[in-house]
Formats: sequence, structure tokens, C-alpha cells
Amino acid sequence: GQQVMQIPQYQHVQEGEDFTTYCNSSTTLSNIQWYKQRPGGHPVFLIQLVKSGEVKKQKRLTFQFGEAKKNSSLHITATQTTDVGTYFCAGDSGGSNYKLTFGKGTLLTVNP
Amino acid sequence: GAVVSQHPSRVICKSGTSVKIECRSLDFQATTMFWYRQFPKKSLMLMATSNEGSKATYEQGVEKDKFLINHASLTLSTLTVTSAHPEDSSFYICSAQQRGVETQYFGPGTRLLVL
Repeated sequence: GQQVMQIPQYQHVQEGEDFTTYCNSSTTLSNIQWYKQRPGGHPVFLIQLVKSGEVKKQKRLTFQFGEAKKNSSLHITATQTTDVGTYFCAGDSGGSNYKLTFGKGTLLTVNP
Repeated sequence: GAVVSQHPSRVICKSGTSVKIECRSLDFQATTMFWYRQFPKKSLMLMATSNEGSKATYEQGVEKDKFLINHASLTLSTLTVTSAHPEDSSFYICSAQQRGVETQYFGPGTRLLVL
């Protein structure tokens, strides 16, 4: 079945440093979605990427979807303590059910 | 918009009892609802997918007779953990999806502790 690998598993940074998490799928994706889960909270939708090579920005967050639609990345510029949480990518291989396969997530901690 | 509620938020029960968890989409019609399980510091594991008015589709390794799912209306799905055991203790999260929209909106989750 489809597998979604995400690295790194953990990342600790000083406030102001940049952060990147990478996601790779074993199969070509219809789209990829990114979610953020704060400690003790539930996943919250951040963004969806659909097109090959797509790049989207949300303030300090930059999301990329690879040309082959099998990998993606999330980059945060100048991290802040409010960025703390686990970032999950989730791949949709297509089909009528829109089933998502989640990566294991990257836990980001930020030292003020 | 796109708010999903889950009830209860926490539940403690004795081994052998059954627990029902409700998932509601408050401001939209959810044609599909998903049930996930999450262990501490782990990713979400899809348990089953339910479409309104149909039987749920369970993922491999998930016992359908133990985790009963009902999606009787476009705004409500329930997960019943039957004859709960301590190993069923976990964080259960539902998500809801509108027809034609690929985004899933997550409920706040239910922490189940089986003693």
C-alpha cells in the first residue's frame, strides 16, 4: 500500500532559525496536504498542493510539491515559539474516497 | 466555518464495558467521516472510513466487530468501542469531509482510558 515517509522526526531550533520538514510518498499523489497539531490538540489543516512543482506561501511558511508529485516540503522562515507543534503531511493518491495517508510527523520545538 | 465537534472529550471506563464516541459536523454536511487513532507522539492511524448511509470501510487490522461505526446522518457519526480493554486506551480523532472537497476537518479528539 501507499506509504508516506516524513523526516526529520524531531527538530529543535532556536527562535529565529529556519526549519524544514520533508515528505516522500511511495506512489504518485493526486494532492498533498499539510496539517499542524499543537501539543495536546488536534490536527488543523494548513494547505493543499495539487499541481506538479507548485509552491505556496502563507506568511513565513513555504510549501512545495515536487515535479513528480511524490515529494513535498514545508519550510518555516525565522521560527517563532508559536510555531511549536507537530507538522504532518498527508498524501491523497486519488479516487473517490479521498483517503489520506499521513506521514509520521515532525515535532518542532523552538527555544526562545 | 467547517467545525467538527466530538463528544466526550475524555472518558475513563472499566475493562469490558463499551464506550460510544460521537462526531458531529456543525455547519456543513459531511458525506464522509474518518476515524483515526493516535498513540502518544505518533502519527494518525486511519481506522475506518464511513459514508453516510453505508457500512464503514475498515482498514486492515482493525476489528469491525470491536470498533462499531455508524454514520446515520450527514452530520453525525459514532464510534463504539465494544468490550474495551486497556490496550484500547488511546486518542481517537474523527474528521469530516464534504462531497467534492478534499480537505478533512478534524474534531478535537477523545481521550479514552480503559482501566
